[in-house]
Amino acid sequence: QQPVQSPQAVILREGEDAVINCSSSKALYSVHWYRQKHGEAPVFLMILLKGGEQKGHDKISASFNEKKQQSSLYLTASQLSYSGTYFCGTEAQGGKLIFGQGTELSVKP
Amino acid sequence: DAGITQSPRHKVTETGTPVTLRCHQTENHRYMYWYRQDPGHGLRLIHYSYGVKDTDKGEVSDGYSVSRSKTEDFLLTLESATSSQTSVYFCAITPRILTDSYEQYFGPGTRLTVT
Repeated sequence: QQPVQSPQAVILREGEDAVINCSSSKALYSVHWYRQKHGEAPVFLMILLKGGEQKGHDKISASFNEKKQQSSLYLTASQLSYSGTYFCGTEAQGGKLIFGQGTELSVKP
Repeated sequence: DAGITQSPRHKVTETGTPVTLRCHQTENHRYMYWYRQDPGHGLRLIHYSYGVKDTDKGEVSDGYSVSRSKTEDFLLTLESATSSQTSVYFCAITPRILTDSYEQYFGPGTRLTVT
């Protein structure tokens, strides 16, 4: 079953923070986060494993609450380059990812 | 760069014709995937492969078949294209170098239009 992302879209000014949430109805082994710019392929950002630590990548970090089957992506002091559509992918077993519908993030100057 | 290419990059075809899309990788990765992407639906898995001649269905496999006769190539075939198969198709691989989890790296995509 497809995970649900929220919000569907967000507009920020440079330097502002944002949180994107991903929620699943299934028990999860891992959660993946990807970013896709218009007309390009999705790009892997980070993966959070069950029982693992919160991950970080420059000013982008994420958490994974296994009990609630939720993950959140945190974008701090956003930059213009952060614009794009963010997808979570949830993995229940066997390496198959089910992706959320995406969150469109626009960062304005 | 995960060394993934897709061909063709763009294709327009007519309803009822067969179409084959090719995904080629240069790193001998075992796991390969085909997704389609449509507005409002995100990425949906069509078929995947976990080795030569080993394939399995994803969530939207109806109307599609796949073949993998060599590690480096994963082919997606639309037996008789329909307008509902107009989409952007992405191939992906999983390196599984350091972990047991399946982070994926995507090819550049193929834009298919069925008229």
